[in-house]
Amino acid sequence: QKEVEQNSGPLSVPEGAIASLNCTYSDRGSQSFFWYRQYSGKSPELIMFIYSNGDKEDGRFTAQLNKASQYVSLLIRDSQPSDSATYLCAVTGGSARQLTFGSGTQLTVLP
Amino acid sequence: DTEVTQTPKHLVMGMTNKKSLKCEQHMGHRAMYWYKQKAKKPPELMFVYSYEKLSINESVPSRFSPECPNSSLLNLHLHALQPEDSALYLCASSGGVAPKETQYFGPGTRLLVL
Repeated sequence: QKEVEQNSGPLSVPEGAIASLNCTYSDRGSQSFFWYRQYSGKSPELIMFIYSNGDKEDGRFTAQLNKASQYVSLLIRDSQPSDSATYLCAVTGGSARQLTFGSGTQLTVLP
Repeated sequence: DTEVTQTPKHLVMGMTNKKSLKCEQHMGHRAMYWYKQKAKKPPELMFVYSYEKLSINESVPSRFSPECPNSSLLNLHLHALQPEDSALYLCASSGGVAPKETQYFGPGTRLLVL
């Protein structure tokens, strides 16, 4: 069974710090990796996706993928209280249309 | 524009009611999805439509009946639901080609079954 594991948290960081969110996956055939942000009571919002080994940066967000270690991470630089949310890691495998989600990491950024 | 719209935002129904959830996207995406999400859990895939045909049904009870009238619309018909079906129902659509195919979620319908 394909599994995606996230450190469940909760994770608290002070404002301005770097928040590091981690995710491991079991299926070596996984192709694409997504980070969604979900505020309480709202729907998931796509933050970033990555499919090649290495780093991908978008503003304050950096996604890192290491397929050999089956590990994907999301770094949030200069964390803001508005970043406080649950972050969902999701992975596609043989079918690009079947996302397997991790259980999510709840992040709190303290003012 | 990556907008998926869903109606209604909230729905309360009894166990004998029939209701429908609606979803619409105008991004030209050819795949559309229904997910169910319970509190503090990740979304669970229910159905996938690809090119207006049902391609994935994750063993969902028959009291949930999906319909894809055209490439922009997706409905979820509800009948004889149980209180445990109360959840946030999310529609999503995806475009692009793997590995770049990306799913975008609508705002969801919060369903309460009494």
